[in-house]
Amino acid sequence: EIVLTQSPATLSLSPGERATLSCGASQSVSSSYLAWYQQKPGLAPRLLIYDASSRATGIPDRFSGSGSGTDFTLTISRLEPEDFAVYYCQQYGSSLTFGGGTKVEIK
Amino acid sequence: QVQLQESGPGLVKPSQTLSLTCTVSGGSISSGGYYWSWIRQHPGKGLEWIGYIYYSGSTYYNPSLKSRVTISVDTSKNQFSLKLSSVTAADTAVYYCARGIIVVGTNHYFDYWGQGTLVTVSS
Repeated sequence: EIVLTQSPATLSLSPGERATLSCGASQSVSSSYLAWYQQKPGLAPRLLIYDASSRATGIPDRFSGSGSGTDFTLTISRLEPEDFAVYYCQQYGSSLTFGGGTKVEIK
Repeated sequence: QVQLQESGPGLVKPSQTLSLTCTVSGGSISSGGYYWSWIRQHPGKGLEWIGYIYYSGSTYYNPSLKSRVTISVDTSKNQFSLKLSSVTAADTAVYYCARGIIVVGTNHYFDYWGQGTLVTVSS
């Protein structure tokens, strides 16, 4: 099983700042089959990025994904108030696993 | 717009079977190209994949839950269902159904999710 480790666990930033979230895999994720989701309290996760760098429909271009192999990054170029949430990565190259999440909170 | 809605008891007694149904609207389960999945989230924790089914009935389960999980599909009702047997307090969680876009083989990510339903295991 591929284990995904997200860091940091919590990111404290102000609106307008840049957020960089990391997702590390215990083994190489084939074909960069990695997705990112955003989850707000009481709501279901929302797909942001798939195939490591492709934005899902309707996702603003301030969200971008990059990486390959065992190291992946989600970048939010300028945080908007609605971006403060928990973010999860998920690999689908070998079975399915989720990372433990990164909480982006208001500083 | 595809919508998924979970339904089922919110309280289950220990050792009994948890049963949930997901009703899909705005699209057909039989259209192909998707896996129909169950995912859970323990209170305050991360996401755990339970299993998924193709419209043909092929199923894939998380090895850690495989012995207790059954997922089935009813294409005539555009629904799929989850049964989890011999539940304990550790199965208390929010249960989500979700649609998985098939990339290749069994590789897929989730584009539509239900709102989730809290199931509490308690006597």
